[in-house]
Amino acid sequence: DIQMTQSPSSLPASIGDRVTITCRASQDISNSLAWYQQKPGKAPKLLLYVASRLESGVPTRFGGSGSGTDYTLTIGSLQPEDFATYYCLQYYTTPWTFGQGTKVEIK
Amino acid sequence: QVQLVQSGAEMKKPGASVKISCKASGYILTTYPVHWVRQAPGQRLEWLGWINAGSDNTKYSEIVRGRFSITRDTSASTVYMELSSLRNEDTAVYYCARDVRYWGQGTLVTVSS
Repeated sequence: DIQMTQSPSSLPASIGDRVTITCRASQDISNSLAWYQQKPGKAPKLLLYVASRLESGVPTRFGGSGSGTDYTLTIGSLQPEDFATYYCLQYYTTPWTFGQGTKVEIK
Repeated sequence: QVQLVQSGAEMKKPGASVKISCKASGYILTTYPVHWVRQAPGQRLEWLGWINAGSDNTKYSEIVRGRFSITRDTSASTVYMELSSLRNEDTAVYYCARDVRYWGQGTLVTVSS
């Protein structure tokens, strides 16, 4: 199985900050990487897929980059509604595997 | 538009079984696989298995193998997951997903004596 290592696990930040979250796969996943945002009690919401393709309706302050084994989610200017937990998912092969999550919280 | 609508919350005792449905609309069920994912309280998401809704082939995760099955009813455009011999640690929200873009709303399964 492909292991996904996500960091950091917790990220204190302020409104307006630029935030970066990383995921490293245990092998090349050929950009088969999605990012989700999850708020308490809610289903995960897709932000990006194929590493950098923005899902319809997602604000452009969210961006994705990377290739091979290393991928990054960037929030350009943190907004109040962005405080949440973020997960990466590799879907290059089954079993799908998720990162352990990054909780973006108010500094 | 593509939608996956899951059945409602379930409360079960340890040792029982639970069956959850996932009704697909907006596309032809047999043209895409359906995955099942769960999230226990405070835990990361974990993939449980998938079904090729066209061929009926399935693949299951080691974490539930032997207790888990996925079936489909093409006439009802619905996929089912069943988890047996439930344990307290199976308490989780269960999601079906066609792919990374289209997920069901989730079904809470609570296992408690």
